[in-house]
Amino acid sequence: DTEVTQTPKHLVMGMTNKKSLKCEQHMGHRAMYWYKQKAKKPPELMFVYSYEKLSINESVPSRFSPECPNSSLLNLHLHALQPEDSALYLCASSPGATNEKLFFGSGTQLSVL
Amino acid sequence: AQTVTQSQPEMSVQEAETVTLSCTYDTSESNYYLFWYKQPPSRQMILVIRQEAYKQQNATENRFSVNFQKAAKSFSLKISDSQLGDTAMYFCASQGAQKLVFGQGTRLTINP
Repeated sequence: DTEVTQTPKHLVMGMTNKKSLKCEQHMGHRAMYWYKQKAKKPPELMFVYSYEKLSINESVPSRFSPECPNSSLLNLHLHALQPEDSALYLCASSPGATNEKLFFGSGTQLSVL
Repeated sequence: AQTVTQSQPEMSVQEAETVTLSCTYDTSESNYYLFWYKQPPSRQMILVIRQEAYKQQNATENRFSVNFQKAAKSFSLKISDSQLGDTAMYFCASQGAQKLVFGQGTRLTINP
C-alpha cells in the first residue's frame, strides 16, 4: 500500500460547526504533515508530526487542532472556522523525520459558509 | 529560512517538444533535498523528481531530468517529448529541517 488516504474528499461546513478531517497511511512512515492550499497558490505547511509527536506548528490559529492517535492516522479537528479558511487541505507522510520524500493524499476540499 | 522562486507563472508548448521550467532557491541548510512536484487538475500532488544536494549528478526519471547548479542555487526541470498528460501546475520545492517549502508554481500547458 503506497497511498495516503484522506477523507472526506469534500466538506461544506458552517462557521459554528465542528468537523474533522482524517488522513491514513499504511506505509510505516513516521512523519505526517498537514498542508493548506488556496486556489492557484502553493501548499503551505501547517503542522508536522514526527513519531506521533507534534514537532512543527506554523503559528496556525487554534480553531485548527491536529491529532495523531497513532503512527498511521492523522486528524485535523475544525471548529469555528471562517470563510477564508476555505481551501484544499493536503495530508502527506514521509518515511522519516527529514521528509526526504513526501507522499501526498488527494486532499479534502473544504468550504466554510 | 528557505525560499523558492519560480519566475515563469505560465508556459505553453506543443506536444512532443522539450520544455524547461526554471527554479532558484535559497537555504541555510548544509544538507537538503530539492523536488519537482506536479499537480494536475485533480489536485493530487505527484512527485516528479528528487535531487539530493550532496550529489553532483543530475537526477533523471524517464522523460524528466534536472539541471542542478548548486553554486548558483538553480534547479531547473527539463521535460522531453512532452505529452498532453504533462499539462499541470509544477511546483519546485526545497526541503530542510522537516519543512518542505514550495515555489509559486508554473502552469504548464501542452497543446496538441
